[in-house]
Amino acid sequence: AQTVTQSQPEMSVQEAETVTLSCTYDTSESDYYLFWYKQPPSRQMILVIRQEAYKQQNATENRFSVNFQKAAKSFSLKISDSQLGDAAMYFCAYRSARDTDKLIFGTGTRLQVFP
Amino acid sequence: ETGVTQSPTHLIKTRGQQVTLRCSSQSGHNTVSWYQQALGQGPQFIFQYYREEENGRGNFPPRFSGLQFPNYSSELNVNALELDDSALYLCASSFTGTLGGYTFGSGTRLTVV
Repeated sequence: AQTVTQSQPEMSVQEAETVTLSCTYDTSESDYYLFWYKQPPSRQMILVIRQEAYKQQNATENRFSVNFQKAAKSFSLKISDSQLGDAAMYFCAYRSARDTDKLIFGTGTRLQVFP
Repeated sequence: ETGVTQSPTHLIKTRGQQVTLRCSSQSGHNTVSWYQQALGQGPQFIFQYYREEENGRGNFPPRFSGLQFPNYSSELNVNALELDDSALYLCASSFTGTLGGYTFGSGTRLTVV
C-alpha cells in the first residue's frame, strides 16, 4: 500500500523569504502523480501544484516549485517570496496512475507566515 | 462555472443516529469522491462514485454508504454513528481522466456526542 509522510508538523517563514516543505512517499509503482494542496481556514482544499512521475522536469507554478526526486521518493515544495496569504495547512498527496481517482494524503504541515 | 457545494456546513448528532451529508458537484464533472478528515490529520478516502455506481472504496465499514444522482450530485450516509466519526467530511468532484482536476468543497463538520 502507498503511504505519504510529512515530517514537519509546523513551519514558519518571514514574509518575502523562501520556505521548503518536505514530503516523502512509499510506493512500488512506477507511474503515479504527486500533488501539493493548500487548506486555508475556509477548509477548502486548493491545488497548488502537481507532478507526473514520468516527467523528469520539476513542476513550477509562479512562486511555487517542487523538487521531485523519484529514486529517493521525495517531493518537496518550495515557496518563494512568501506572502501572508500563503499561511495555511499544506498537504502532500499521491495518486496511482492505474487506480481510481483516489488521493492518498499526508498528515499536513502548518505554515505560518510572519510579517 | 459553479464550484462544489456541501451541506450542511456543521452538524451535531448523537451516537447511534444516522446522518446524510450532501454534495453538489462542479458543473461538467461526472465523478465524486468523499474524504474523512479527522482533526489534525490528512483526508482519508472513503469512496468514489462514477455513473451512479461505487467505483472504489477506502478502508471504511459498510455503515458508510453513498449515492450519486443523475445530475452528479451525491450523498454520504453514515449509520450507527460513533464518536470517532466526528470529523470534517470533504467532497471532491472531477471529470474522469483529467489529472488533478479535483474541485473540493468546504466540507461538513460533523460532531458526534
